Amino acid sequence: GQQVMQIPQYQHVQEGEDFTTYCNSSTTLSNIQWYKQRPGGHPVFLIQLVKSGEVKKQKRLTFQFGEAKKNSSLHITATQTTDVGTYFCAGHNNDMRFGAGTRLTVKP
Amino acid sequence: DGGITQSPKYLFRKEGQNVTLSCEQNLNHDAMYWYRQDPGQGLRLIYYSQIVNDFQKGDIAEGYSVSREKKESFPLTVTSAQKNPTAFYLCASDKSQGGRRGTEAFFGQGTRLTVV
Repeated sequence: GQQVMQIPQYQHVQEGEDFTTYCNSSTTLSNIQWYKQRPGGHPVFLIQLVKSGEVKKQKRLTFQFGEAKKNSSLHITATQTTDVGTYFCAGHNNDMRFGAGTRLTVKP
Repeated sequence: DGGITQSPKYLFRKEGQNVTLSCEQNLNHDAMYWYRQDPGQGLRLIYYSQIVNDFQKGDIAEGYSVSREKKESFPLTVTSAQKNPTAFYLCASDKSQGGRRGTEAFFGQGTRLTVV
C-alpha cells in the first residue's frame, strides 16, 4: 500500500532561522496536503497541492509539490515562536495517509 | 455551526472490554477516516469510508471495527482483541467521493482512550 515518509522527525531552531520538512511517497499521489498540529490539539489544514511542480505560498510558508507528484516540502522562512507544532503531510490516493510528522520547536 | 464532533473526549476502559468512540459530522462529507496517534508519533490509518455502507481497512485495522450506516456517523469500536489500545484517536472527514482526489479534511477534537 501507499506509504508516506517524512523527515526530519524533530527540528529545533532559533527564532528567525528557516525550517524545512520533506515528504516522500512510495506511489504517485493525486494530491498532497499539509497540516499543523499544536501540542494537545488536532491537525488543522494548511494547504493542498494538486499539480505537478506546483508551488504555493502563505506568508512565510512555501509549499512545493514535486514534478513526479511523489514528494513535497514545506519551508518556513524566519521562524517565530507561533510556528511551534508538528507539521504533517498527507497523501491522497483513495485514502488519506499521513507522514510521521516533523515536530518543530523554536527557541526565542 | 458545521463541524465534526467526537465523543467522549476522555475514555477509560477496563481490559477485556469493548468500547465505542463516536464521530459525527454535519458537513455533508462523503469520506470519513479514523486515525490513531501515539505520543510523539504520526497518524496511523485505522479505517476509512468513502460512502455509506462501505468501509475499508487501513494500516492498523486489527482489533478495531467500524460501521457507516449513516452519512453523518462513523463510530469506531475498540475491541478486546486490540492489545494496546491506549492512544489518542482522531476522526476526520472530507468531500472525497470515492475518487482519488481529496479535499481539505476536518478533524474532530479527538478521544483519548486509556486502558486501566
